[in-house]
This record gives sequence, structure tokens and C-alpha cells, in this order.
Amino acid sequence: KAGVTQTPRYLIKTRGQQVTLSCSPISGHRSVSWYQQTPGQGLQFLFEYFSETQRNKGNFPGRFSGRQFSNSRSEMNVSTLELGDSALYLCASSLARTDTQYFGPGTRLTVL
Amino acid sequence: EDKVVQSPLSLVVHEGDTVTLNCSYEVTNFRSLLWYKQEKKAPTFLFMLTSSGIEKKSGRLSSILDKKELFSILNITATQTGDSAVYLCAVFSGSARQLTFGSGTQLTVLP
Repeated sequence: KAGVTQTPRYLIKTRGQQVTLSCSPISGHRSVSWYQQTPGQGLQFLFEYFSETQRNKGNFPGRFSGRQFSNSRSEMNVSTLELGDSALYLCASSLARTDTQYFGPGTRLTVL
Repeated sequence: EDKVVQSPLSLVVHEGDTVTLNCSYEVTNFRSLLWYKQEKKAPTFLFMLTSSGIEKKSGRLSSILDKKELFSILNITATQTGDSAVYLCAVFSGSARQLTFGSGTQLTVLP
């Protein structure tokens, strides 16, 4: 079975721009969660989608949003980028909401 | 607020040594505790623990959970340089319905 895939793997943007990241879960997995990883804050939960609905959201500003499609693929959008948004964005999928989460390779976002 | 604390923050050992990594937690409505290994990329799943006292084992790695004392340990025996990584502990809360991660333990295994 193919693992979780994320595109793009690397992205460089400037302040004020917006960005969309994509995540394809493991086949059959319906829950997709997004995390931000930085050296200072570690891995922090952004949000979780299940059956095309956002089920849970972490403590991030409204500039961070996402969606899930009927094939369980998910996208995450960050608008009005700030320097502090530079991070590794990880997506994880699981069969059901309480099952083990398997991570994708991440998208490394650099904001200049 | 859910909290996961890992110790030590970093550890340097030589090949062949045995290491014990610690994870303590405070979460409401505990459901499970997970261990991940992260090298330069995505965390890879190691173990999921839900019951106290039952050891999970995979090769040289093993882990156990103590739900009364609210901690877990990850043991690695006969360490190899390929074990060098950040080991992350995460707890799933049934109330928050999300994973809360610790800051990780950076393990370096020297030849």
C-alpha cells in the first residue's frame, strides 16, 4: 500500500502571499490531520478532517484553513503568510479518528 | 490543557548500549499513547499502547505503559548508529480528540 503523500515537498514564499498544500492519505483512510513542526514549538496540531468535515481544530489563527474532498484527499491553505509560518507541515492519515496516525514526508515551507 | 513531557531532551550513547526514554503525560480522558521515530523527515510509527503493564516489542525496541503513574518508557537494546533519531511520544485524548506531542528525545548513537 502506498503511504501518505504530500505535495509539494518544498516551497518558498514571501510575506503576504498565500499557499496551498496537498495531502493524499493511505488508501482507505478517512481521517486526515495536519500538524506544524518548528524547532521551537515542536509538533502542533492544526486540524483534523473526517468525511469531508473539519472535526477538530488546534490553536492557530483563522489564516490557517483546510478542506477534505470526497476521496479523502485534503488541502491546507495559509493566507497572508508571516515569517513565523516557516515550518515543516505534516499530514497524517488514519483509518478511523482514534486509530494510529501515519505521517507523510511533509512540506517544508520557507517564508521570506 | 493536555501535556506530554519527554526526558531526557537529548542523549548520546555508544553502539551496543541500552537506552531508556521517558514520557509522562497529563491528559483528560486518555485513549492511547504512541511512540514515533523521526529522522530527517516524517515521523514513523513505532508503538501504540492502550493498556497498562503490557509490553509491546519490535526487535530491539520495546515499550510499556503505566496508566496509574501516567508514564511510558521506550527501551532500545544493543543500540546501532541507525537508531540515531528524535523519538516522539504522543497521547490521544478522547476529550480533545487529538494527538498531543512531547518535545522529543534526540538520541545520538556513536560508533
